[in-house]
Formats: sequence, C-alpha cells, structure tokens
Amino acid sequence: KNEVEQSPQNLTAQEGEFITINCSYSVGISALHWLQQHPGGGIVSLFMLSSGKKKHGRLIATINIQEKHSSLHITASHPRDSAVYICAVSGGTDKLIFGTGTRLQVFP
Amino acid sequence: ETGVTQSPTHLIKTRGQQVTLRCSSQSGHNTVSWYQQALGQGPQFIFQYYREEENGRGNFPPRFSGLQFPNYSSELNVNALELDDSALYLCASSFSGVAYGYTFGSGTRLTVV
Repeated sequence: KNEVEQSPQNLTAQEGEFITINCSYSVGISALHWLQQHPGGGIVSLFMLSSGKKKHGRLIATINIQEKHSSLHITASHPRDSAVYICAVSGGTDKLIFGTGTRLQVFP
Repeated sequence: ETGVTQSPTHLIKTRGQQVTLRCSSQSGHNTVSWYQQALGQGPQFIFQYYREEENGRGNFPPRFSGLQFPNYSSELNVNALELDDSALYLCASSFSGVAYGYTFGSGTRLTVV
C-alpha cells in the first residue's frame, strides 16, 4: 500500500463543475502539498498545508490531520484547469512522498 | 526573483553511457532535491543536498550521484545508464527544507535507448 493515496485517478468534468480530489496518507507529516503538473512536466506548487483550510482564487485545499485526509476543490472549473494534480507529504525528513496523481480533464 | 531552471530539457542517451543533469535553484534557496518520475507514476525521491552536503537519499543505487555548488546549484549524475532510467527528472529547491515550501523546475526528460 502506498503511503500517499489519491482518488480518483482520472476525472472528467464539464466546464463550470465543482471538482473534488482526495488524498489520504498513512505516515506522520509536517505538511501536505498540493501540486499541479501540466503535460510538459513542470510542477507548480499550489498549496502547502499543515492544518485547516487555504483558498487561492477558485482553488480550496483542506486538511484533517486526525483523519490523515486532505481534499483539493476547484470551483467553476475551466478547461485550463486540465492537468495532473498531485498530493505530496513531507514528514520527519525533508523529502516529499508523492501520490500518483489525479488526471483532470475539463471540457468546454 | 528567478525560479528553478533545469538543463537540458530533453536528452537521449544510449544504455551504458553516463549523463549529467543540471539545476539552478531559486534565488535565496539553499536546499535542492532531485526526483525521478517514471511515466504515469508520482515522483520518487533520489536525494537532497543542503549547503553542499548530501542530506538524505532515497532507494536509488550508487550510480546515481550528485553535487551541490557554493551558489546552491546542483548536478545529478547517472552512470551506466539502464533502460529503466528513462524518466522525467525533477529538481526542487527550498530554503532549509520543508517548512518554507518548494519551487520545482520543469524537469529534464531522459530517454535511454
């Protein structure tokens, strides 16, 4: 079993839909990261969370430390949101442990 | 403020050859981590350098080695390339580790034939 699990693996949505991507982890963490990866490969850091909730534009990230679970929400989704969204955790060491990602496609 | 720059962007090598990948860290960052991402998989931690010293290593053989320079830029060297080394190699820089977040480069896509 992977230390970081994401669901769903693939997600298709119509423009304007509300999107939720889930992440569960099994290790102790100091922070959880939500990242976005476009087809070219480069990764953009969206959020770093250690508790509660963060919002940036149409993106919202929440974390429940007791349940070892985080969610990434996208409101009013748009085709430009199409990407792979990756959850990663950082624990006692400085390395990141990544999930396998959720591939999101938003159609007009 | 510049981001993380990786070079080259793409590379094709033959099995058994050696390769050097480069990463310049974001201004003000002193820590560089390298990750290998196979197709369809999440990135896997190779190693991390902090102030020119290796500061943690993942489950990769010794033919994967690295360096960090006084300006905090870094190199990843892979000797005796194998077909399974074909992947996207990502570099991420940070300031003193996890607490301040990471900035990622666009990666180097290595193909071993």
